[in-house]
Amino acid sequence: DAMVIQNPRYQVTQFGKPVTLSCSQTLNHNVMYWYQQKSSQAPKLLFHYYDKDFNNEADTPDNFQSRRPNTSFCFLDIRSPGLGDAAMYLCATSGTAPTDTQYFGPGTRLTVL
Amino acid sequence: GQNIDQPTEMTATEGAIVQINCTYQTSGFNGLFWYQQHAGEAPTFLSYNVLDGLEEKGRFSSFLSRSKGYSYLLLKELQMKDSASYLCAVMDSNYQLIWGAGTKLIIKP
Repeated sequence: DAMVIQNPRYQVTQFGKPVTLSCSQTLNHNVMYWYQQKSSQAPKLLFHYYDKDFNNEADTPDNFQSRRPNTSFCFLDIRSPGLGDAAMYLCATSGTAPTDTQYFGPGTRLTVL
Repeated sequence: GQNIDQPTEMTATEGAIVQINCTYQTSGFNGLFWYQQHAGEAPTFLSYNVLDGLEEKGRFSSFLSRSKGYSYLLLKELQMKDSASYLCAVMDSNYQLIWGAGTKLIIKP
């Protein structure tokens, strides 16, 4: 089955210790997104890739970086996690038409100690 | 600013019908999405409306009125597994997806 996969599902890190979350997809979608979602809140778009073209949201902190080495994989790097970065991180993909549906991976829940 | 409003929480009884409303104020409109999200899991796509009217998909239906900036998701024959949050999201004129905070639906036996 075509899908979006995120690893790990649960990640625990220490305050200030860099962490990398990964996402892969078998849908062959050109567009990939990273969202941050805190409890009972709307998902917040951090950035997205249109193929290799990187688009950073204006209010995404510099602490967050992303890499997309190829169509299938995308990484979210948090350089110095703070307590406020504890959240669910969702990866999504979509086709290239602007109104194409976004399909989400299962998410990575990040805990910062 | 852009805004999506949904009730925070609703309660309904197994077997009944529930309507979850969503009102929006966005810069332009390129469609409205409904997603279901179970606790601790990722959102899953339910429906997409871009034209006015009702779209039916099994037990779930979604309605849109663009002139009123209003949509609802109708769930029939409620089952316990329908307990989840339901997120409304609108695509604006820049093709950015603006998300609501979601409505937590609690189903009671």
